Amino acid sequence: SQTIHQWPATLVQPVGSPLSLECTVEGTSNPNLYWYRQAAGRGLQLLFYSVGIGQISSEVPQNLSASRPQDRQFILSSKKLLLSDSGFYLCAWSMATVSNQPQHFGDGTRLSIL
Amino acid sequence: EDQVTQSPEALRLQEGESSSLNCSYTVSGLRGLFWYRQDPGKGPEFLFTLYSAGEEKEKERLKATLTKKESFLHITAPKPEDSATYLCAVLGGSNYKLTFGKGTLLTVNP
Repeated sequence: SQTIHQWPATLVQPVGSPLSLECTVEGTSNPNLYWYRQAAGRGLQLLFYSVGIGQISSEVPQNLSASRPQDRQFILSSKKLLLSDSGFYLCAWSMATVSNQPQHFGDGTRLSIL
Repeated sequence: EDQVTQSPEALRLQEGESSSLNCSYTVSGLRGLFWYRQDPGKGPEFLFTLYSAGEEKEKERLKATLTKKESFLHITAPKPEDSATYLCAVLGGSNYKLTFGKGTLLTVNP
């Protein structure tokens, strides 16, 4: 069976510091990968998605970036965090063979910016 | 732009008291409607996918239905462990973007 791992679970960072969140998927190959942000009182917002190694699409202009160095690894980064980057960050995967398959989520990273 | 509206925002039930959650949507070319359950501090857990009007799916005390404008999540004889936020999302057009509603917070009291 497939599993998805995200770390760290919680993170407290000062404004202006860098960020790296990691997500890995096990039990499947060539998955579609996604980064979402969930803010209080708002729905999940898609930040990035990837349909293959080195293929990243951005949905929202921001100071965040994403990379996919390996087939089942997805990384969310920032060079300088802003207060507005606080939130709950979720990684998800879906089967790549059929485009309307459900997305499956990890347990998220709670990011607090001080 | 795809839109999803969920109602009510919060629902409090007594154990055994059946009810329904609503998800209204507007989408260009529905390719799938998805229901998720989210517990506090956790990621959403996939429940159902519905692909066309008239389709129904069931799992334990939950039943999801779909029309051309909305979906319902029916909860029959709920238990306290059914307490969670239930999220609805749609996939439309030709991309991979799920559009989520803000969710319904369900509380089931013993």
